[in-house]
Amino acid sequence: AQSVTQLDSHVSVSEGTPVLLRCNYSSSYSPSLFWYVQHPNKGLQLLLKYTSAATLVKGINGFEAEFKKSETSFHLTKPSAHMSDAAEYFCVVSERAAGNKLTFGGGTRVLVKP
Amino acid sequence: DSGVTQTPKHLITATGQRVTLRCSPRSGDLSVYWYQQSLDQGLQFLIQYYNGEERAKGNILERFSAQQFPDLHSELNLSSLELGDSALYFCASSVGGAGGFYEQYFGPGTRLTVT
Repeated sequence: AQSVTQLDSHVSVSEGTPVLLRCNYSSSYSPSLFWYVQHPNKGLQLLLKYTSAATLVKGINGFEAEFKKSETSFHLTKPSAHMSDAAEYFCVVSERAAGNKLTFGGGTRVLVKP
Repeated sequence: DSGVTQTPKHLITATGQRVTLRCSPRSGDLSVYWYQQSLDQGLQFLIQYYNGEERAKGNILERFSAQQFPDLHSELNLSSLELGDSALYFCASSVGGAGGFYEQYFGPGTRLTVT
């Protein structure tokens, strides 16, 4: 069975400083991993995805994530936070054997201070 | 804009009632997924349809049902509503669904409030 743990429910950063959102996953098979962002009162938007190609994945808005199989992690980073990055971020796992069903982590709410 | 549309945007109803949420997938997408987002349960997968047929089931209650029509739009029916059903319901769509790793595009959601 697949599961996702986001290690921080809230992260607070200052504008211009790096952002790190931590995610660990559990999967019986080779998973696909995603990061989605949800801005207040909006739907979810895909930031990036890993599907067994390059382990370092670049996404939109300057975000990137590294797949580390040995650590079962898929942490999301951005070198310099912007005020518009304030949102909730979800780490998501999907398995072919589970019919492409998405399993979401609990979410990390990011606050960006000026 | 993801190309997935959901109606209505907001819905307020009373306990015991029945409601229908509607989703239109992106043009060309054959799969539709329904998700529930609530404060206590987080984001949960409910059910998936692929080209009119049920493909996968998640944590969907027996009081809830869905279908996908020949034009590929989908409806989620919620009946005998309880206060705990208050949540944001998302629809997503993807090109495939037959076991592939297809990107899902999410609609803006329908916020259901049960009073």
